[in-house]
Amino acid sequence: QVQLVQSGSELKKPGASVKVSCKASGYTFTTYAMNWVRQAPGQGPEWMGWINTNTGNPTYAQGFTGRFVFSLDTSVSTAYLQINNLKAEDTAVYYCASGSTWSIFDYWGQGTLVTVSS
Amino acid sequence: DIVMTQSPDSLAVSLGERATINCKSSQSVLYSSTNKNYLAWYQQKPGQPPRLLIYWASTRGSGVPDRFSGGGSGTDFTLTISSLQAEDVAVYYCQQYDTTPITFGQGTRLEIK
Repeated sequence: QVQLVQSGSELKKPGASVKVSCKASGYTFTTYAMNWVRQAPGQGPEWMGWINTNTGNPTYAQGFTGRFVFSLDTSVSTAYLQINNLKAEDTAVYYCASGSTWSIFDYWGQGTLVTVSS
Repeated sequence: DIVMTQSPDSLAVSLGERATINCKSSQSVLYSSTNKNYLAWYQQKPGQPPRLLIYWASTRGSGVPDRFSGGGSGTDFTLTISSLQAEDVAVYYCQQYDTTPITFGQGTRLEIK
């Protein structure tokens, strides 16, 4: 069965960087695009963008350009989200999400809590 | 951006009764060439990721009980739970995937009365 397994919670100081991983199994990794979704405490999900798992080409939603980087390592079926120059407002749960049809998110990682605090 | 607005923000329904959640998009998500509404519904329980319930506005996701149904077209959509069960307590979100950025509603919290 399809599984997306994310790396564990992170506690970082403002200005630091964090890299979240999302390892896929149960399907051919390059078949489905990988999306990233942020959920701030008590808020609804917010789509951050996606990465084409065939070409590695990322697309970022407005508000997630500059400090956010999507990348892949197809040899280990893993997608990554890196956030640079962390700010307190980046505190949130970050999910990877994918599916057999564009932007219908059948599959979700369990989420990674990133806490930014001095 | 397409703004998704859900109503109500919270809802309390007795066990076994019907629950209806509304979702309105700021522009149509009906794609004329496919005649499909690019609208999905998700259920989220505390500490869990969202779970896909409905896509194409009315198609149930894999393993979703048939008490969940979706309806509507264009800009106005509904999620109906025909007979509320205790395990349905959750926050429900609609999502449009017609155009980027993909956007979600603010959520509707469903509780037992």
